[in-house]
Amino acid sequence: AQSVTQLGSHVSVSEGALVLLRCNYSSSVPPYLFWYVQYPNQGLQLLLKYTTGATLVKGINGFEAEFKKSETSFHLTKPSAHMSDAAEYFCAVKGAGNMLTFGGGTRLMVKP
Amino acid sequence: GAGVSQTPSNKVTEKGKYVELRCDPISGHTALYWYRQSLGQGPEFLIYFQGTGAADDSGLPNDRFFAVRPEGSVSTLKIQRTERGDSAVYLCASSLAGEYEQYFGPGTRLTVT
Repeated sequence: AQSVTQLGSHVSVSEGALVLLRCNYSSSVPPYLFWYVQYPNQGLQLLLKYTTGATLVKGINGFEAEFKKSETSFHLTKPSAHMSDAAEYFCAVKGAGNMLTFGGGTRLMVKP
Repeated sequence: GAGVSQTPSNKVTEKGKYVELRCDPISGHTALYWYRQSLGQGPEFLIYFQGTGAADDSGLPNDRFFAVRPEGSVSTLKIQRTERGDSAVYLCASSLAGEYEQYFGPGTRLTVT
């Protein structure tokens, strides 16, 4: 079985500030990890993924995440927030089986 | 190319009625997934198809829920005797065989009154 915990259901940052969205997972097998973004009334769009290899992965829109096995974490970061980054962000894990298990989501708000 | 499409985008039905939700995956994607997203929560897995067969239906909440994919492409999620607790956004995703990146459709918002 696998699970995902996203700390902070709401995160607010100022435009230009660092974005840090936290994700911790549990998995009985080596995990594949994903971050998705969801804009209002839209489906989920993949930001980035970790499968194997390099633990620092870069995604679209300037986001990146680092897989830390020892901490069972996969936190999402972006050096400088933009107003267009305001959305809901979901961390997900694929463990045993093909389905994704999602966290509860973090709503990112960007203040001008 | 075309992404995953879902119809209808919104569905309002009365308690006790039957509903069907349709998903058209990306052409060539053999894997298809259904998820349910309740308000303020992350998506929850319902069922996974590889080709025409349901490879994993462990997420279906009860026997009122059923899904088919008769020709290995379009899938229909069927809900019998709907309840107010079934109100949610139903998301469909597809992927290539052996790939783990899932592409999501825009969802169907189901409201049971």
